Amino acid sequence: DIQMTQSPSSLSASVGDRVIITCRASQGVRNDLGWYQQRPGKALKRLIYGATNLQSGVPSRFSGSGSGTEFTLTISSLQPEDFATYYCLQYNSFPQTFGQGTKVEIK
Amino acid sequence: QVQVQQWGAGLLKPSETLSLTCAVYGGSFSGYYWSWIRQPPGKGLEWMGEINHSGSPNYNPSLKSRVTMSVDTSRNQFSLKLRSATAADTAVYYCATGTVDAFDIWGQGTVVTVSS
Repeated sequence: DIQMTQSPSSLSASVGDRVIITCRASQGVRNDLGWYQQRPGKALKRLIYGATNLQSGVPSRFSGSGSGTEFTLTISSLQPEDFATYYCLQYNSFPQTFGQGTKVEIK
Repeated sequence: QVQVQQWGAGLLKPSETLSLTCAVYGGSFSGYYWSWIRQPPGKGLEWMGEINHSGSPNYNPSLKSRVTMSVDTSRNQFSLKLRSATAADTAVYYCATGTVDAFDIWGQGTVVTVSS
Protein backbone atom coordinates (compact mmCIF):
# COMPACT_ATOMS: atom_id res chain seq x y z
CA ASP A 1 0.00 0.00 0.00
CA ILE A 2 1.09 3.59 -0.61
CA GLN A 3 1.73 5.38 2.69
CA MET A 4 0.62 8.99 2.92
CA THR A 5 2.42 11.04 5.55
CA GLN A 6 1.05 14.42 6.52
CA SER A 7 2.86 17.12 8.40
CA PRO A 8 2.37 18.61 10.80
CA SER A 9 -0.09 16.37 12.65
CA SER A 10 -1.50 19.46 14.33
CA LEU A 11 -0.95 23.21 14.32
CA SER A 12 -2.19 26.28 16.11
CA ALA A 13 -2.90 29.37 14.06
CA SER A 14 -4.76 32.64 14.20
CA VAL A 15 -7.46 34.03 11.98
CA GLY A 16 -5.77 35.61 8.97
CA ASP A 17 -2.69 33.38 9.10
CA ARG A 18 -1.35 31.55 6.10
CA VAL A 19 -1.35 27.81 6.72
CA ILE A 20 0.53 25.16 4.77
CA ILE A 21 -0.04 21.42 5.19
CA THR A 22 2.22 18.89 3.49
CA CYS A 23 1.47 15.38 2.31
CA ARG A 24 4.21 12.99 1.18
CA ALA A 25 3.55 9.73 -0.66
CA SER A 26 5.77 6.69 -0.22
CA GLN A 27 5.78 6.29 -4.01
CA GLY A 28 4.68 8.44 -6.90
CA VAL A 29 0.94 9.03 -7.34
CA ARG A 30 1.19 11.43 -10.31
CA ASN A 31 -1.44 14.09 -9.50
CA ASP A 32 -4.08 11.65 -8.21
CA LEU A 33 -4.32 13.46 -4.90
CA GLY A 34 -7.22 15.05 -3.06
CA TRP A 35 -7.53 17.21 0.04
CA TYR A 36 -10.45 16.98 2.43
CA GLN A 37 -11.75 18.98 5.38
CA GLN A 38 -13.55 17.36 8.30
CA ARG A 39 -15.31 19.34 10.99
CA PRO A 40 -16.16 17.51 14.24
CA GLY A 41 -18.97 15.03 13.82
CA LYS A 42 -19.28 15.69 10.10
CA ALA A 43 -18.43 13.84 6.93
CA LEU A 44 -15.43 14.79 4.86
CA LYS A 45 -15.74 17.63 2.38
CA ARG A 46 -13.49 17.64 -0.66
CA LEU A 47 -11.52 20.83 -1.18
CA ILE A 48 -9.05 19.91 -3.92
CA TYR A 49 -8.86 17.14 -6.51
CA GLY A 50 -6.22 16.28 -9.06
CA ALA A 51 -3.71 17.89 -6.67
CA THR A 52 -4.47 21.43 -7.86
CA ASN A 53 -8.15 21.70 -8.87
CA LEU A 54 -10.44 23.62 -6.56
CA GLN A 55 -13.72 21.86 -5.84
CA SER A 56 -16.75 23.85 -6.98
CA GLY A 57 -18.07 26.03 -4.15
CA VAL A 58 -14.87 25.95 -2.11
CA PRO A 59 -13.40 29.39 -1.28
CA SER A 60 -10.41 30.47 -3.31
CA ARG A 61 -8.26 30.87 -0.19
CA PHE A 62 -7.72 27.11 -0.48
CA SER A 63 -5.17 25.94 -3.02
CA GLY A 64 -3.23 22.79 -3.76
CA SER A 65 0.10 22.13 -5.39
CA GLY A 66 2.53 19.35 -6.11
CA SER A 67 2.78 16.12 -8.05
CA GLY A 68 4.50 12.78 -7.75
CA THR A 69 5.31 12.38 -4.06
CA GLU A 70 5.13 15.87 -2.53
CA PHE A 71 1.93 17.86 -2.15
CA THR A 72 0.79 20.91 -0.23
CA LEU A 73 -2.52 22.41 0.80
CA THR A 74 -2.39 26.14 1.44
CA ILE A 75 -4.97 28.25 3.20
CA SER A 76 -4.01 31.80 2.31
CA SER A 77 -5.91 33.57 5.10
CA LEU A 78 -7.36 31.33 7.79
CA GLN A 79 -11.00 31.97 8.64
CA PRO A 80 -12.92 30.87 11.76
CA GLU A 81 -14.78 28.18 9.83
CA ASP A 82 -11.47 26.64 8.67
CA PHE A 83 -10.59 25.24 12.08
CA ALA A 84 -10.94 21.54 11.35
CA THR A 85 -8.96 18.43 10.47
CA TYR A 86 -7.53 18.07 6.98
CA TYR A 87 -6.72 14.83 5.16
CA CYS A 88 -4.97 14.00 1.94
CA LEU A 89 -6.01 11.01 -0.17
CA GLN A 90 -4.14 9.25 -2.96
CA TYR A 91 -6.30 7.50 -5.53
CA ASN A 92 -3.60 6.48 -7.98
CA SER A 93 -3.22 2.93 -6.71
CA PHE A 94 -5.40 0.38 -4.91
CA PRO A 95 -6.05 0.46 -2.09
CA GLN A 96 -6.67 4.17 -1.96
CA THR A 97 -5.06 5.57 1.17
CA PHE A 98 -5.47 8.61 3.36
CA GLY A 99 -2.98 10.63 5.35
CA GLN A 100 -3.33 10.54 9.10
CA GLY A 101 -4.76 14.04 9.27
CA THR A 102 -3.70 17.53 10.33
CA LYS A 103 -5.74 19.24 13.01
CA VAL A 104 -5.85 23.02 12.69
CA GLU A 105 -6.64 24.64 16.02
CA ILE A 106 -7.20 28.19 17.18
CA LYS A 107 -4.16 29.87 18.72
CA GLN B 1 -26.71 16.37 -8.22
CA VAL B 2 -25.95 12.96 -6.81
CA GLN B 3 -26.74 12.50 -3.13
CA VAL B 4 -26.43 9.45 -0.92
CA GLN B 5 -28.17 8.43 2.29
CA GLN B 6 -27.04 5.53 4.42
CA TRP B 7 -28.43 3.43 7.23
CA GLY B 8 -27.82 0.26 9.20
CA ALA B 9 -27.51 -1.28 12.63
CA GLY B 10 -25.46 0.78 15.04
CA LEU B 11 -24.74 -1.77 17.75
CA LEU B 12 -23.34 -5.25 17.26
CA LYS B 13 -22.00 -8.00 19.45
CA PRO B 14 -18.60 -9.52 18.68
CA SER B 15 -18.73 -12.16 15.93
CA GLU B 16 -21.92 -10.69 14.42
CA THR B 17 -22.14 -9.35 10.86
CA LEU B 18 -22.13 -5.61 10.26
CA SER B 19 -24.65 -4.61 7.62
CA LEU B 20 -25.07 -1.15 6.06
CA THR B 21 -26.92 0.17 3.02
CA CYS B 22 -26.54 3.34 0.98
CA ALA B 23 -29.18 4.75 -1.36
CA VAL B 24 -28.32 6.98 -4.31
CA TYR B 25 -30.56 9.86 -5.34
CA GLY B 26 -30.58 12.47 -8.04
CA GLY B 27 -28.11 11.11 -10.51
CA SER B 28 -26.69 8.19 -12.39
CA PHE B 29 -26.20 4.99 -10.43
CA SER B 30 -24.54 3.16 -13.29
CA GLY B 31 -21.85 5.70 -14.00
CA TYR B 32 -19.71 5.40 -10.90
CA TYR B 33 -17.98 3.15 -8.42
CA TRP B 34 -19.50 3.19 -4.94
CA SER B 35 -17.20 2.92 -1.95
CA TRP B 36 -17.28 2.28 1.77
CA ILE B 37 -14.82 4.10 4.01
CA ARG B 38 -14.51 3.85 7.76
CA GLN B 39 -13.00 5.93 10.55
CA PRO B 40 -12.35 4.35 13.97
CA PRO B 41 -12.73 6.78 16.87
CA GLY B 42 -9.76 9.12 17.04
CA LYS B 43 -8.03 7.38 14.14
CA GLY B 44 -7.54 7.76 10.44
CA LEU B 45 -9.62 6.78 7.45
CA GLU B 46 -9.60 3.39 5.75
CA TRP B 47 -11.00 2.69 2.31
CA MET B 48 -12.77 -0.66 2.56
CA GLY B 49 -13.65 -1.27 -1.05
CA GLU B 50 -15.91 -0.33 -3.93
CA ILE B 51 -18.49 -1.79 -6.26
CA ASN B 52 -20.03 -0.71 -9.56
CA HIS B 53 -23.54 -1.06 -10.90
CA SER B 54 -22.67 -4.42 -12.46
CA GLY B 55 -21.74 -5.79 -9.07
CA SER B 56 -18.00 -5.96 -9.72
CA PRO B 57 -16.20 -5.26 -6.44
CA ASN B 58 -12.70 -4.23 -5.49
CA TYR B 59 -11.85 -4.86 -1.85
CA ASN B 60 -9.07 -3.62 0.36
CA PRO B 61 -6.82 -6.68 0.84
CA SER B 62 -6.74 -5.95 4.57
CA LEU B 63 -10.47 -6.76 4.80
CA LYS B 64 -11.05 -8.96 1.78
CA SER B 65 -11.66 -12.16 3.75
CA ARG B 66 -14.52 -10.61 5.74
CA VAL B 67 -16.15 -8.09 3.36
CA THR B 68 -18.93 -8.49 0.84
CA MET B 69 -20.37 -5.59 -1.16
CA SER B 70 -23.46 -5.86 -3.30
CA VAL B 71 -25.77 -3.67 -5.40
CA ASP B 72 -29.51 -3.49 -5.98
CA THR B 73 -29.88 -1.60 -9.23
CA SER B 74 -33.69 -1.66 -9.04
CA ARG B 75 -33.50 0.51 -5.94
CA ASN B 76 -30.25 2.38 -6.69
CA GLN B 77 -28.74 1.00 -3.51
CA PHE B 78 -25.48 -0.65 -2.53
CA SER B 79 -24.64 -2.53 0.63
CA LEU B 80 -21.78 -3.58 2.86
CA LYS B 81 -21.49 -6.69 4.98
CA LEU B 82 -18.53 -7.26 7.31
CA ARG B 83 -18.45 -10.67 8.96
CA SER B 84 -17.04 -11.67 12.33
CA ALA B 85 -17.03 -8.17 13.75
CA THR B 86 -14.73 -7.31 16.64
CA ALA B 87 -14.18 -4.22 18.76
CA ALA B 88 -11.59 -3.12 16.21
CA ASP B 89 -14.44 -2.65 13.71
CA THR B 90 -16.01 0.04 15.88
CA ALA B 91 -16.01 3.10 13.65
CA VAL B 92 -18.00 5.65 11.71
CA TYR B 93 -18.78 4.12 8.33
CA TYR B 94 -19.28 6.27 5.26
CA CYS B 95 -20.50 5.49 1.78
CA ALA B 96 -18.97 7.68 -0.89
CA THR B 97 -18.39 8.09 -4.60
CA GLY B 98 -16.47 10.22 -7.01
CA THR B 99 -18.36 11.96 -9.79
CA VAL B 100 -15.19 13.84 -10.71
CA ASP B 101 -12.10 11.93 -9.55
CA ALA B 102 -12.39 10.33 -6.13
CA PHE B 103 -14.90 10.89 -3.32
CA ASP B 104 -16.69 14.17 -3.83
CA ILE B 105 -20.00 12.76 -2.59
CA TRP B 106 -20.31 11.39 0.95
CA GLY B 107 -23.04 9.90 3.06
CA GLN B 108 -23.77 11.30 6.49
CA GLY B 109 -21.95 8.50 8.26
CA THR B 110 -23.19 5.67 10.48
CA VAL B 111 -21.72 5.06 13.91
CA VAL B 112 -21.21 1.34 14.46
CA THR B 113 -20.19 0.03 17.86
CA VAL B 114 -19.13 -3.56 18.44
CA SER B 115 -19.44 -4.46 22.10
CA SER B 116 -20.58 -7.35 24.21
